[in-house]
Amino acid sequence: ELKVEQNPLFLSMQEGKNYTIYCNYSTTSDRLYWYRQDPGKSLESLFVLLSNGAVKQEGRLMASLDTKARLSTLHITAAVHDLSATYFCAALIQGAQKLVFGQGTRLTINP
Amino acid sequence: SQTIHQWPATLVQPVGSPLSLECTVEGTSNPNLYWYRQAAGRGLQLLFYSVGIGQISSEVPQNLSASRPQDRQFILSSKKLLLSDSGFYLCAWSVGQKNNQPQHFGDGTRLSIL
Repeated sequence: ELKVEQNPLFLSMQEGKNYTIYCNYSTTSDRLYWYRQDPGKSLESLFVLLSNGAVKQEGRLMASLDTKARLSTLHITAAVHDLSATYFCAALIQGAQKLVFGQGTRLTINP
Repeated sequence: SQTIHQWPATLVQPVGSPLSLECTVEGTSNPNLYWYRQAAGRGLQLLFYSVGIGQISSEVPQNLSASRPQDRQFILSSKKLLLSDSGFYLCAWSVGQKNNQPQHFGDGTRLSIL
């Protein structure tokens, strides 16, 4: 059974700092997705990582995937308040058309 | 471009009442469709998914059911709601078998059971 665990679950940081959110998954998966959720809102897709070693960047966010370690990371560079949100990773169940989501990381960026 | 519509946005229902939530997708054919529930401050729980008309996979045994009467329509139902059915219900769609694209989510329905 595929399980996805994120850490930390809560992260409070200051503007201008760098930090990384980790996403570990328990069994083989070759698709990893990152989403953002603002309070009271739906989920917005950030990144789709399709293969081992994949790296994608958008603004101050960069995501990477290591399928051998079963680990994906979301790195935040020089954080700004607008990045405050809950971030979810999700892994694809091999051979199925469904995802397993992590618990989410609630990120608060303080001025 | 593709769009997903979910309604209603907010719903307050008494315990024991029925439920019907609807989701439609525009601009694509034969999408995979999904219903998720999110409890307050928690992650997403997959309830049902469908890869075609009339094909429904149930992930969690409970008093909810789903139907897909048309290619781009997905309905979540209950005959008698429980207090534990409260939550934020999200519909999502995706295309293709290779999963190279993300699932796209609707705006959600916030359901409160009294």
